[in-house]
Amino acid sequence: QKEVEQDPGPLSVPEGAIVSLNCTYSNSAFQYFMWYRQYSRKGPELLMYTYSSGNKEDGRFTAQVDKSSKYITLFIRDSQPSDSATYLCADNQAGTALIFGKGTTLSVSS
Amino acid sequence: KAGVTQTPRYLIKTRGQQVTLSCSPISGHRSVSWYQQTPGQGLQFLFEYFSETQRNKGNFPGRFSGRQFSNSRSEMNVSTLELGDSALYLCASSSESSVDTQYFGPGTRLTVL
Repeated sequence: QKEVEQDPGPLSVPEGAIVSLNCTYSNSAFQYFMWYRQYSRKGPELLMYTYSSGNKEDGRFTAQVDKSSKYITLFIRDSQPSDSATYLCADNQAGTALIFGKGTTLSVSS
Repeated sequence: KAGVTQTPRYLIKTRGQQVTLSCSPISGHRSVSWYQQTPGQGLQFLFEYFSETQRNKGNFPGRFSGRQFSNSRSEMNVSTLELGDSALYLCASSSESSVDTQYFGPGTRLTVL
């Protein structure tokens, strides 16, 4: 099984900061990537998905895929305390099975 | 549209017992996937069902099984429970037109004593 890796953190930032969450993958085939947010004691919530290289923006969130370096990055602008959660990146390497990183825990202080 | 629902939310069992967890997908979604989440291993894929057929399977022992009904509701069963089976079990559903986009339920927290 191909791996998706994330720095577990925790990452602590002040409110209003720009946050950069990184993920690396090992499979060089063309893939479909997703970012999920998981609050404590909740199921993962889909934030964004992207097929290709480049950026995809949705409000304060931007997903960036760099296929040459096999890096996936989620940027959060103007971070809020409500953004405090674990962020999971996922790769659809096996058809309908998602391969998840172990997640990065983010804490935004007010 | 109602989200994915899972029952029960919490469960405590002892070693050797078996357990059945239930998942109701989003209305209209025919694909249901199951995942196990633990602090050490993170989220790991168990299996996926589509139109009552298992379409994909992860690397878990045969003690873990599942099924899907004609209304797309799904159950998973774990037999001969072990302490290491303590985890959050998550169900996710997706539509036929967008099978890659999976929506998760709140999970069932299983504790094996």
